[in-house]
Amino acid sequence: DTAVSQTPKYLVTQMGNDKSIKCEQNLGHDTMYWYKQDSKKFLKIMFSYNNKELIINETVPNRFSPKSPDKAHLNLHINSLELGDSAVYFCASSQDPGYEQYFGPGTRLTVT
Amino acid sequence: AQSVTQLGSHVSVSEGALVLLRCNYSSSVPPYLFWYVQYPNQGLQLLLKYTSAATLVKGINGFEAEFKKSETSFHLTKPSAHMSDAAEYFCAVSVQGAQKLVFGQGTRLTINP
Repeated sequence: DTAVSQTPKYLVTQMGNDKSIKCEQNLGHDTMYWYKQDSKKFLKIMFSYNNKELIINETVPNRFSPKSPDKAHLNLHINSLELGDSAVYFCASSQDPGYEQYFGPGTRLTVT
Repeated sequence: AQSVTQLGSHVSVSEGALVLLRCNYSSSVPPYLFWYVQYPNQGLQLLLKYTSAATLVKGINGFEAEFKKSETSFHLTKPSAHMSDAAEYFCAVSVQGAQKLVFGQGTRLTINP
């Protein structure tokens, strides 16, 4: 059983389009995160939700909007995609904020 | 605020040699420390963690790390490298009550045959 899953694994789209990435965890964790990993492997936290409440909103363009319908799901919607949005996006979860996190397999987004 | 520095963005060792990946942290209160491994085209996987129990922590795949408060370090070691250890390794720090982990910039480990 996959602990943290993401769909899709690959996403290729054109500039200006809107896309969503979905994340689900079956670990019973209360906290979920979105990270962006650039081509140099640097990990940047974007958002964090604890019990469906937004607790971290780093400096991210407001074209990015997270949504947590329940504790097990955290989706990421991106409007008006730009070339610079191309990256690998990781979802993660943890029982408590600031504690060990479990990562999904990533979604490689390519904007052309 | 906490921070972590990984010394060396790229480390290369021969198969069978000692692996040493360096991590130094900064924290004004007792830290939690983590090492993650990322294999190509995969997500991050927890290798080991330190949460104020034993200072020598053993993890998966033969890796271990030692917490040294006096040196503010949490270096990752493995006695004998295997080709399958080639990956990106991330050190991360947190503290009780923190809202997130702070990750280092990563170290790419290459194993030479």
